[in-house]
Amino acid sequence: AQTVTQSQPEMSVQEAETVTLSCTYDTSESDYYLFWYKQPPSRQMILVIRQEAYKQQNATENRFSVNFQKAAKSFSLKISDSQLGDAAMYFCAYRSRDTDKLIFGTGTRLQVFP
Amino acid sequence: GAGVSQSPSNKVTEKGKDVELRCDPISGHTALYWYRQSLGQGLEFLIYFQGNSAPDKSGLPSDRFSAERTGGSVSTLTIQRTQQEDSAVYLCASSKNRPMNTEAFFGQGTRLTVV
Repeated sequence: AQTVTQSQPEMSVQEAETVTLSCTYDTSESDYYLFWYKQPPSRQMILVIRQEAYKQQNATENRFSVNFQKAAKSFSLKISDSQLGDAAMYFCAYRSRDTDKLIFGTGTRLQVFP
Repeated sequence: GAGVSQSPSNKVTEKGKDVELRCDPISGHTALYWYRQSLGQGLEFLIYFQGNSAPDKSGLPSDRFSAERTGGSVSTLTIQRTQQEDSAVYLCASSKNRPMNTEAFFGQGTRLTVV
């Protein structure tokens, strides 16, 4: 069975600085999809970025980028030029191509200080 | 609808009562997922549907939990004989099957409190 691990329960960053959130996963599949979701206090989950496992190029969305290391089964999220609005819970997620199952890590709470 | 709709938003129930939580996914989304999120915790997978069938029910905590989906649309999560440990936010999400990198869209959740 696939598992997703986020080893950092909490992280903090100064406004305008860069922070990296870690995520590792375990799977025997070769093709799958990875996502980072943000959950602000409103509870609404918002997609931040996605990555197809067959693509070697790391995904980028404005200030958000990932470091996808397939062999190491690592999928970290880098937030550049952090803003106060980035403060939220961040969840890493894995979607199986074979089963469609979507599973999440335990989340990292990000605090942003002015 | 425009987004995933869950009802009720909040539910307070007495221990031992049954509750039904409803999820109305985005029209045309064949995959539907239920998760449980305890206070400050991650998303615990409960069950997911492909159309009306549930290929994976492995996350349901006990036989007090059941879910169904009818017409490939609305899903209901039922908790029988509720216990205090069932208190949590129950989140529903839906997505298209193809392409596989399609994001899952979430509802606002139902906050269940068992007293």
